[in-house]
Amino acid sequence: EAQVTQNPRYLITVTGKKLTVTCSQNMNHEYMSWYRQDPGLGLRQIYYSMNVEVTDKGDVPEGYKVSRKEKRNFPLILESPSPNQTSLYFCASSPHNQPQHFGDGTRLSIL
Amino acid sequence: EDQVTQSPEALRLQEGESSSLNCSYTVSGLRGLFWYRQDPGKGPEFLFTLYSAGEEKEKERLKATLTKKESFLHITAPKPEDSATYLCAVQEGGSNYKLTFGKGTLLTVNP
Repeated sequence: EAQVTQNPRYLITVTGKKLTVTCSQNMNHEYMSWYRQDPGLGLRQIYYSMNVEVTDKGDVPEGYKVSRKEKRNFPLILESPSPNQTSLYFCASSPHNQPQHFGDGTRLSIL
Repeated sequence: EDQVTQSPEALRLQEGESSSLNCSYTVSGLRGLFWYRQDPGKGPEFLFTLYSAGEEKEKERLKATLTKKESFLHITAPKPEDSATYLCAVQEGGSNYKLTFGKGTLLTVNP
């Protein structure tokens, strides 16, 4: 089954404790992206990757890092999480210039 | 200023009562306009892409249309299973396939 898989689905952690949210897709898509969804603000792009080893900032990249060492994986790294990064996170993937397919989300709570 | 505005924020319909959701946008150089459906606890699910004014797409009870300034998602004879949040997103020309989302319309269809 074609899918975008995120882990974990839920995480409660504390300020400053490094964490990684993994994203994996099995559709051989070139493009991958991370979004965060907040009430009243909608979905906003954090980082994106056009292909392996090619990443760039989206609209709200502060406090996040990404890497794209393999085509299927695009982890989101929070080196020193803060409470304002409490949010619902979505990973998406697509072939170039095609509709993006989204994972089921990761709900992060940072205390 | 929001680039993508959806209205209404919430809509409650009786089963069988047809209606329309609106998405107005102000981006220049539109590459595509996308409609997604989002169920609670899930990621956005792709419905339609529209590329140029006058284009229409249909799927079951849903029909999407596009003008130069807005898109409509028409729902004909809705059923309770159509209840969800409907998201509109635009993609501008350029190297990043970033989607700029509206805040969504929460549709509830009562039996």
